[in-house]
Amino acid sequence: DIQMTQSPSTLAASVGDRVTITCRASQTITSWLAWYQQKPGKAPKLLIYKASSLDSGVPSRFSGSGSGTEFTLTISSLQPDDFATYYCQQYDSFPTFGGGTKVEI
Amino acid sequence: QLQLQESGPGMMNPSETLSLTCSVSGGSTRSSSYYWGWIRQSPGKGLEWIGSIYYTWDTYYNPSLKSRVTMSVDTSKNQFSLKLSSVTAADTAVYYCATHSQYYDAFHIWGQGTMVTVSS
Repeated sequence: DIQMTQSPSTLAASVGDRVTITCRASQTITSWLAWYQQKPGKAPKLLIYKASSLDSGVPSRFSGSGSGTEFTLTISSLQPDDFATYYCQQYDSFPTFGGGTKVEI
Repeated sequence: QLQLQESGPGMMNPSETLSLTCSVSGGSTRSSSYYWGWIRQSPGKGLEWIGSIYYTWDTYYNPSLKSRVTMSVDTSKNQFSLKLSSVTAADTAVYYCATHSQYYDAFHIWGQGTMVTVSS
């Protein structure tokens, strides 16, 4: 299995902050990485696929970068609706997910 | 707009076989454009991909669950299903159905999820 490690596990931030979340893969996954946002009681929502491609309807304040084994999700200016938990997922082989990063006030 | 809706038993006893169904609307399980997958989420193990199926009935499963998982597609009802045998408390989770476009892929559309609790 390819292990996905996210950091930090919790992040305290304020509206307007620039936020960066890191995801590391245990082996190279080229650019086969997705990012999701999940709110309590809801299913995960796809934000970014193929490391840096924004899914349809996702605000441009979200961006993704990286390749190989290290990836980042950046929120350029945190909005009230962005307080949630974020997950990375690799799909270079059978899918595996990171442990999540909770963005809280 | 493709939409997915899970249905399942809610509560189960250990050793039983879990059966879940995902109903598809706004799209067809006959379509070559989609793969249909199951993912679960538990406090202990986080998000875990269970397996996926294509309209051709080609299936592939998480190796850690493969011995207990069976997936199928019912194109006449526009549904796909998951069976997980010999459940234990460790199988307690929210189960999601989701769709993707390639063999290994991001999951673009998710159902709302259904909670399954295994307890005696």
